[in-house]
Amino acid sequence: EVQLVQSGAEVKEPGDSLRISCKVSGYTFINYWIGWVRQMPGKGLEWMGIIYPGDSDTRYSPSFQGQVTISADKSISTAYLQWSSLKASDTAMYYCARQDLAGSGGMDVWGKGTTVTVSS
Amino acid sequence: SYELTQPPSVSVSPGQTARITCSGDALPKQYSYWYQQTPGQAPVLVIYKDTERPSGIPARFSGSSSGTTVTLTISGVQAEDEADYYCQSVDSNATYRVFGGGTKLTVL
Repeated sequence: EVQLVQSGAEVKEPGDSLRISCKVSGYTFINYWIGWVRQMPGKGLEWMGIIYPGDSDTRYSPSFQGQVTISADKSISTAYLQWSSLKASDTAMYYCARQDLAGSGGMDVWGKGTTVTVSS
Repeated sequence: SYELTQPPSVSVSPGQTARITCSGDALPKQYSYWYQQTPGQAPVLVIYKDTERPSGIPARFSGSSSGTTVTLTISGVQAEDEADYYCQSVDSNATYRVFGGGTKLTVL
């Protein structure tokens, strides 16, 4: 069974750094892109970026370029989303999803999400 | 940056047909995708490459494309179809992906 297991909820203060994770199982990690999606409270989905773990090729939405860093560790089949200095406006649910660019082209398997709360 | 436009809400009675549109300048050149999200849950892919349905998605879900507008059609709407629906596509240079603003489908 294909699964994306995301790390637990985080509560941070403005200015903190943070890295959340997405561990995959049930398929060959390096063969599929992994994407990250933000959903702010009560709002819609926002596509942040994707990474191809096979060669670490990474693409960002212009809205998120320079604001976050997407990375992956092939040795443990895990993708990451990282902030160097959180802001209150980063408070949101963050989903990882497999982006099957070679097949359907869509985000066909999703994690359950990681809630990030940034508050002083 | 590139934008996809959806109506904020659509309402239908059970058994009727719901149509949710999504407009974007690059849609004639790029595929569209549709996702269903129910409260508290992660999104689910219901249509890919404009018209294709993933395995496990009921046949009442279909997609179509015409020029700069794509449409998700749900025939014979059921109460369980009440959800938010999001279209997704790619900018004209295939550099990044974007979601539409989402449409809340209400089953009356």
